[in-house]
Amino acid sequence: LAKTTQPISMDSYEGQEVNITCSHNNIATNDYITWYQQFPSQGPRFIIQGYKTKVTNEVASLFIPADRKSSTLSLPRVSLSDTAVYYCLVENDYKLSFGAGTTVTVRA
Amino acid sequence: NAGVTQTPKFQVLKTGQSMTLQCAQDMNHNSMYWYRQDPGMGLRLIYYSASEGTTDKGEVPNGYNVSRLNKREFSLRLESAAPSQTSVYFCASMTNTGELFFGEGSRLTVL
Repeated sequence: LAKTTQPISMDSYEGQEVNITCSHNNIATNDYITWYQQFPSQGPRFIIQGYKTKVTNEVASLFIPADRKSSTLSLPRVSLSDTAVYYCLVENDYKLSFGAGTTVTVRA
Repeated sequence: NAGVTQTPKFQVLKTGQSMTLQCAQDMNHNSMYWYRQDPGMGLRLIYYSASEGTTDKGEVPNGYNVSRLNKREFSLRLESAAPSQTSVYFCASMTNTGELFFGEGSRLTVL
């Protein structure tokens, strides 16, 4: 299992861009990088997935450098409703493990 | 389209009692998962089933058993509940592209 390291917490203000970096130094060739969001009392929800370079969808962007040893989730113009825990997963098989995640708090 | 459905949503047990958490998905996914989440912690994998007919241990399987009843259903059984098993349990199923869909969770308290 590729181990991931994320910051424990981050604070931001409404309208700002939030960037969360995940380190995964021992990522394997076949591993994909996936990010989830979890609100209190709910199960995690898929945000975005990528393998290399940049992926963008309607809610976030994922930046992956050429060496793939880290990845950055970018949340543009956050709102109070983006306050949540964000998890980075690096896996290529069925044994999917979540770390402690990054608690993002957005303030008015 | 209900997605992933877990029952019960809440349960209180006494130490030593047994119970089964039920999970069903209607998305025709092959893989299903059981996680537990303790307060302020991340999710820990208990068991998973890569496909119908197979089950495998995750990070914290002790004290639990699972059954992949069919493609839709994956149940988690506590044979003799302990206070350390007080947690929120999440079931999930996975698409072929690796995206997990989670249920709403089952909140279990063991006294």
